Amino acid sequence: EAGVTQSPTHLIKTRGQQATLRCSPISGHTSVYWYQQALGLGLQFLLWYDEGEERNRGNFPPRFSGRQFPNYSSELNVNALELEDSALYLCASSFVGPLRANVLTFGAGSRLTVL
Amino acid sequence: GESVGLHLPTLSVQEGDNSIINCAYSNSASDYFIWYKQESGKGPQFIIDIRSNMDKRQGQRVTVLLNKTVKHLSLQIAATQPGDSAVYFCAENLGAQKLVFGQGTRLTINP
Repeated sequence: EAGVTQSPTHLIKTRGQQATLRCSPISGHTSVYWYQQALGLGLQFLLWYDEGEERNRGNFPPRFSGRQFPNYSSELNVNALELEDSALYLCASSFVGPLRANVLTFGAGSRLTVL
Repeated sequence: GESVGLHLPTLSVQEGDNSIINCAYSNSASDYFIWYKQESGKGPQFIIDIRSNMDKRQGQRVTVLLNKTVKHLSLQIAATQPGDSAVYFCAENLGAQKLVFGQGTRLTINP
């Protein structure tokens, strides 16, 4: 069974540009989560999508947005890039059920570098 | 506020010894906790979880202990191996499918 896949692996942008990151969840998982991991720091919760809807959002500005498609894959968009947006962006998926609902399976991440 | 922290940012142990990684959490209403392992260049990988109605849970070579009185969580790794080298994160469920992760502890194994 394929795990969570993310693309691109690496992305280099300049300040003010837009970045789009993509994620395909594990088959059967309806929830997708996005986390930001800046160098040397922990994971900061960005967004949670389930059944195509944004369900929860972390403490990030509106220029961080995303969506979930009917096939449950997801996109994360970052507009007006700033230097501090440089980080590893991790996508995770899960099946929201009554048991172990928060066991997230993570992808390998997309490394965004803003110059 | 919401915060999950770790007492030690780095931990160095001898191969074969037991490792103990600690974590403090701040939200007494949290009902679910998870430990993740992140190896270099990879995403975090689930190790073990525990619900707040339990004090201890064991897996293969790993044990998680939960002390709700002092809001403390620990991960014990028995007979530490070179493959255990990684950054370990504890995560706390704050509800609404929102996991809050700690900063992480880097575990290094000395031969």
